[in-house]
Amino acid sequence: DTGVSQDPRHKITKRGQNVTFRCDPISEHNRLYWYRQTLGQGPEFLTYFQNEAQLEKSRLLSDRFSAERPKGSFSTLEIQRTEQGDSAMYLCASSLSSGTGYEQYFGPGTRLTVT
Amino acid sequence: GEDVEQSLFLSVREGDSSVINCTYTDSSSTYLYWYKQEPGAGLQLLTYIFSNMDMKQDQRLTVLLNKKDKHLSLRIADTQTGDSAIYFCAEEEGGGADGLTFGKGTHLIIQP
Repeated sequence: DTGVSQDPRHKITKRGQNVTFRCDPISEHNRLYWYRQTLGQGPEFLTYFQNEAQLEKSRLLSDRFSAERPKGSFSTLEIQRTEQGDSAMYLCASSLSSGTGYEQYFGPGTRLTVT
Repeated sequence: GEDVEQSLFLSVREGDSSVINCTYTDSSSTYLYWYKQEPGAGLQLLTYIFSNMDMKQDQRLTVLLNKKDKHLSLRIADTQTGDSAIYFCAEEEGGGADGLTFGKGTHLIIQP
C-alpha cells in the first residue's frame, strides 16, 4: 500500500452543481478525516470517521456537505449546490488508533474550483 | 478556543540550520506535529512529539517543546534546497477525535 489516495485530483464545476470526492485510506487504518485548505491557510478539520461511524463534525460542515464511509474503508465527500466559497483543496487523512499515537497521513488532495 | 500561530516566512542560506517556531494555546494538547507541504501537494508528516517529552531528534530534524510557554520549534540542520516548502505546526487534544488544529504555515525559503 502506497498511502492515502484521492480522486479526482482536480475538479472544476459550475456554481450550483453537486460534486463528489473519494478518499481511499491506508488499508489497515480505521480512522479517516476530511479537511479543507484554502490559499494561505492551514488545513481546517471538517469531519472524522472511526470505521464506518461518523463521530465528529466541524461547524464548517454545512448542510450542503455530507460524508460517508459505508464499509469502513473508502470515504466520499459530497457537496451539494456548490458555491464559489467552496473553492479549496479538500484533503483526506487516515490514522490507526493505537497506544503509540494517532499520526495522520494525508492524501494529495482534491482541488475544487467553482466558477 | 484553540489557536496555533507561526511566522509566515523564514529565509535561510543553504547549509545553515533553520529554526521554525510555533506557539499554541490549548493546554490540553497531547500531541504536536510538524508537517511539510510542497507546492500542489498534500501534507507530509515529518515528526511529532508527545506532550510529556521536551525534545525529539530524528536525523536532521530536532523538535523542542516548552510546555510552560506553549512553544514548539522545529530545527532543520544543514538546510538543503529540497527543504524549501511550507511547514505546518499542528496540535491535537488527544485521542484523534477532533482532528488536528493547524497553524497557517511557515514558508521556508532557501538562499543559495
